[in-house]
Amino acid sequence: DAKTTQPNSMESNEEEPVHLPCNHSTISGTDYIHWYRQLPSQGPEYVIHGLTSNVNNRMASLAIAEDRKSSTLILHRATLRDAAVYYCILRDSLTRGGTASKLTFGTGTRLQVTL
Amino acid sequence: AAGVIQSPRHLIKEKRETATLKCYPIPRHDTVYWYQQGPGQDPQFLISFYEKMQSDKGSIPDRFSAQQFSDYHSELNMSSLELGDSALYFCASSLGQENTEAFFGQGTRLTVV
Repeated sequence: DAKTTQPNSMESNEEEPVHLPCNHSTISGTDYIHWYRQLPSQGPEYVIHGLTSNVNNRMASLAIAEDRKSSTLILHRATLRDAAVYYCILRDSLTRGGTASKLTFGTGTRLQVTL
Repeated sequence: AAGVIQSPRHLIKEKRETATLKCYPIPRHDTVYWYQQGPGQDPQFLISFYEKMQSDKGSIPDRFSAQQFSDYHSELNMSSLELGDSALYFCASSLGQENTEAFFGQGTRLTVV
């Protein structure tokens, strides 16, 4: 599995934008970039994913570098409820065993949000 | 909306006992993934199933086995439990070949004493 590199932790003030970086220099052409987050004592939660183009949804935006070797998850206005560990994951679009490939969690970024 | 349901939520077992964890995927989802998350660690992939067949295998001990049933629910069976098996076990489900999101359950917290 191609690896990703993220900062161990980041801090943000509430109501301010947060940019969470991820490096994935060994990404292959068939890898999608997925972001999940895990709030304390909960299961991981899907945030967003993309392949080449920037993506927006109600939770966040995903900016993907032109060479796809890095990406940035953007939370437009952080709230206290966004405090979580954020995982950047490369997921092969090629099916394995007939189904979408597994998600391989690395060491994510622990985001702290303060008032 | 229906989510992934795991049972039980908490389980306490003694060493060398067996445990069975259950996962009920979102309706129409045909793929189930199992993950183990030790204290202070990141989720580690154990095994996955698609259409009742094993589709991928990760770092799952030989003492563990799993299967997916005809109604798509899955069970993780753990035997000869060790103290190190104490962890949160998450199940996730998704739609087969779609590279879309996986939905995770709330997890089962297994404590081996």
